[in-house]
Amino acid sequence: DTAVSQTPKYLVTQMGNDKSIKCEQNLGHDTMYWYKQDSKKFLKIMFSYNNKELIINETVPNRFSPKSPDKAHLNLHINSLELGDSAVYFCASTLGAGVNTGELFFGEGSRLTVL
Amino acid sequence: GESVGLHLPTLSVQEGDNSIINCAYSNSASDYFIWYKQESGKGPQFIIDIRSNMDKRQGQRVTVLLNKTVKHLSLQIAATQPGDSAVYFCAEAGTALIFGKGTTLSVSS
Repeated sequence: DTAVSQTPKYLVTQMGNDKSIKCEQNLGHDTMYWYKQDSKKFLKIMFSYNNKELIINETVPNRFSPKSPDKAHLNLHINSLELGDSAVYFCASTLGAGVNTGELFFGEGSRLTVL
Repeated sequence: GESVGLHLPTLSVQEGDNSIINCAYSNSASDYFIWYKQESGKGPQFIIDIRSNMDKRQGQRVTVLLNKTVKHLSLQIAATQPGDSAVYFCAEAGTALIFGKGTTLSVSS
């Protein structure tokens, strides 16, 4: 069973479109995250939710809106896609409210390509 | 600001050699560090972690060393194998995990 699963794995779309990436974890973890990995492999935190509440919101354009319907799901909706949004987006989760409580479990990533 | 960086973007070794991947961090208050391995097309996977009350921690073929005086971490991989080829990240625990830029390890047989 996949611990952290993301869909879709690949997404190719035109500039200006709106798209969503979904994430689900079956680990019973309390906290979920979205990270963005650019073409140089740099991983940067975007958002974090703990028990459906937003706890981290880094400097991300407001075109990006996370939504957590329950603690096992964290979806990422992106409006008015731009070329610079092309990246691999990783969902992750941890057991406790902070990363000091243990390792971060990552999904396989969703590669977004904006044309 | 806080940053976690790696000294070398790439490292090439022969199979059977020992590999050492280095990482410098800037936040002296950090007390938890993790090394991750990311294989091509996959998400990062946990390798080993260390807390600031330790200088060294060993796993299976991997050792992490922490030097708090100079704010330096290293990951040592013994008897490197082709399957170890990947991008390696150190990460520092803050409000979220802050990742360094990654070192690409290439192992040739």
